[in-house]
Amino acid sequence: DSGVTQTPKHLITATGQRVTLRCSPRSGDLSVYWYQQSLDQGLQFLIQYYNGEERAKGNILERFSAQQFPDLHSELNLSSLELGDSALYFCASSAPGTRGEQYFGPGTRLTVT
Amino acid sequence: SQQGEEDPQALSIQEGENATMNCSYKTSINNLQWYRQNSGRGLVHLILIRSNEREKHSGRLRVTLDTSKKSSSLLITASRAADTASYFCATATTGNQFYFGTGTSLTVIP
Repeated sequence: DSGVTQTPKHLITATGQRVTLRCSPRSGDLSVYWYQQSLDQGLQFLIQYYNGEERAKGNILERFSAQQFPDLHSELNLSSLELGDSALYFCASSAPGTRGEQYFGPGTRLTVT
Repeated sequence: SQQGEEDPQALSIQEGENATMNCSYKTSINNLQWYRQNSGRGLVHLILIRSNEREKHSGRLRVTLDTSKKSSSLLITASRAADTASYFCATATTGNQFYFGTGTSLTVIP
């Protein structure tokens, strides 16, 4: 158990819909990262937050957005969902002041039908 | 394209043998990390090597980094069936981006 929690575990929804994925980092970690893992694209970095502020942006679509709240949990919002958005979405956290190892949550499996 | 490419894509060995997997990347990095993923589960951090380091050991793991060739290797010695998993390299670039490689699927046969 990494200490990073993600909810829900599974999500099945229809095209065009909007969903919110939630992540709670390890106690004391200030950074939260979001990744998308699909068979054709592999593991893609989406976005990083550090203590509530956006720190780095990767291959995140405009239909996707994220935020980190004062209690440090983070949410990833996916809207106007397409079939191709079906994937595993991982959240990770890392300790403050490091560019070190990331601790991954168990992931949310999103299926868009 | 992705920052990291790994080779081989898949590797099958007998228990007790050593497993070596390689990773190549494209841009300047701050550090390179290796992770393990069991099927459909979250990634587990194995080891981190900084750009000014050339070799690092952790238990049965040995990682090398050659920044001139933009490549790294992960050696798992005396493999066990429990090492069966996918292994990914990840680079933290100087541009504050994180890239994961395509992964090597390792099967250790008991």
